[in-house]
Amino acid sequence: AQKVTQAQTEISVVEKEDVTLDCVYETRDTTYYLFWYKQPPSGELVFLIRRNSFDEQNEISGRYSWNFQKSTSSFNFTITASQVVDSAVYFCALSENEGQNFVFGPGTRLSVLP
Amino acid sequence: NAGVTQTPKFRVLKTGQSMTLLCAQDMNHEYMYWYRQDPGMGLRLIHYSVGEGTTAKGEVPDGYNVSRLKKQNFLLGLESAAPSQTSVYFCASSYLWESSYEQYFGPGTRLTVT
Repeated sequence: AQKVTQAQTEISVVEKEDVTLDCVYETRDTTYYLFWYKQPPSGELVFLIRRNSFDEQNEISGRYSWNFQKSTSSFNFTITASQVVDSAVYFCALSENEGQNFVFGPGTRLSVLP
Repeated sequence: NAGVTQTPKFRVLKTGQSMTLLCAQDMNHEYMYWYRQDPGMGLRLIHYSVGEGTTAKGEVPDGYNVSRLKKQNFLLGLESAAPSQTSVYFCASSYLWESSYEQYFGPGTRLTVT
């Protein structure tokens, strides 16, 4: 069965520190998609990134970067030079079976202190 | 475009009462989903629909029913509410993009069952 694990329940950092959020997934499919979503204190879910199982290239978007490693079934998310506005709960998610199975991890609550 | 909207935003029910949550999307998406979010558990899929007139069970379907009579609407019903159904409910819709199914989320409905 598919599963997403985010072992870090809560992380606190001081502004300008770098922080990495871990995501480990399990799936039997060879075709699947991985996502990261951000949920700020206001409660909405904000899409950050999508990655398919055939593309292991790392991606960088501003202060955000993602490291996808199929060998370890991990899709980790790094925020460089964190800011207070990065404080949120971050969810990793896995989609397989052409979008009919969507599983979210339990989330990591990130607090960035000024 | 309004995106994904949910009605109502808040609701308090007494045990045994019934209600229907409405999700509407104006993006012509084929897939729609209902999730519940509980502290420390991320989002769990209740039911989903891959097209008008079709529905399927997710991870936690018990106590809920759904209907998709129109492509743009996905209704979630609670026939006899229980305190265990106190949660935040999110609706999402998705489309096929390069074989991915990126989800767009509504703002959520906070339901309390007393």
